[in-house]
Amino acid sequence: DADVTQTPRNRITKTGKRIMLECSQTKGHDRMYWYRQDPGLGLRLIYYSFDVKDINKGEISDGYSVSRQAQAKFSLSLESAIPNQTALYFCATSEPGQRNTGELFFGEGSRLTVL
Amino acid sequence: EDQVTQSPEALRLQEGESSSLNCSYTVSGLRGLFWYRQDPGKGPEFLFTLYSAGEEKEKERLKATLTKKESFLHITAPKPEDSATYLCAATMTTDSWGKLQFGAGTQVVVTP
Repeated sequence: DADVTQTPRNRITKTGKRIMLECSQTKGHDRMYWYRQDPGLGLRLIYYSFDVKDINKGEISDGYSVSRQAQAKFSLSLESAIPNQTALYFCATSEPGQRNTGELFFGEGSRLTVL
Repeated sequence: EDQVTQSPEALRLQEGESSSLNCSYTVSGLRGLFWYRQDPGKGPEFLFTLYSAGEEKEKERLKATLTKKESFLHITAPKPEDSATYLCAATMTTDSWGKLQFGAGTQVVVTP
C-alpha cells in the first residue's frame, strides 16, 4: 500500500460543483501539503499544514480551502469549481522540523477535470 | 521575483549518450535545491538535495551539482529506464522546508 494515498484518482465534474480531494498518509509525518501541477508551469503550492492546528496559504490558495481532520488526513476542497482549476493535484508529506531535509513524499495524484 | 527555470523542456537521448539538464534559479536566498524524478501517472520521487554552491551528489547514473546561480543534473550513459520528467525545485531561506518553488521540468526520453 502507498504511504500517501489520494482519492479520487480521477474526477470529472461541472462548473459550480463542490469537490473534495482527500489525502491520507501512513508515514507518521506532521507536515502535509497540497500542490497543483499544470503543463508548462510546474507544481505550485496551494496550502500546507505543519500540524492539525496549523494551516497556511500557499502561492495559489484562492478558490480552494483545506481541512486537517487528523495528523494523517488533509483534504482539499473546491467550493465552486471552475474550468481553470482543471489540473493534476498532489498531496505530499514531510518530516517535522528538526529532522526535515526538505524532502517531500508525494501521493500519486488526483486528476481533476472541470467542464 | 523568485524563479526556477529548467532547460531544455525535452531531451531525447540514445542509450549510452550522456547529457546534462540545467536548472537556473533566481531567489533571494537559497536554503536548498532539490531534484525529483516523475514518471507518467505518478507523483514526483525525491532524488537529491543540495545545500550550498560546490556541493555534488550522485546516485547510480545521476549526478547533481550546484553553483550560485544554477544546478545541473548529469546523466551518464543513460538507459531506457532513466526516461522520466526531471523536476528541479528550490526552497528559499525565508521559507520553511516543504515550501518548494518548482521549475516546469525536463522530459527525458532514452531510446535503446
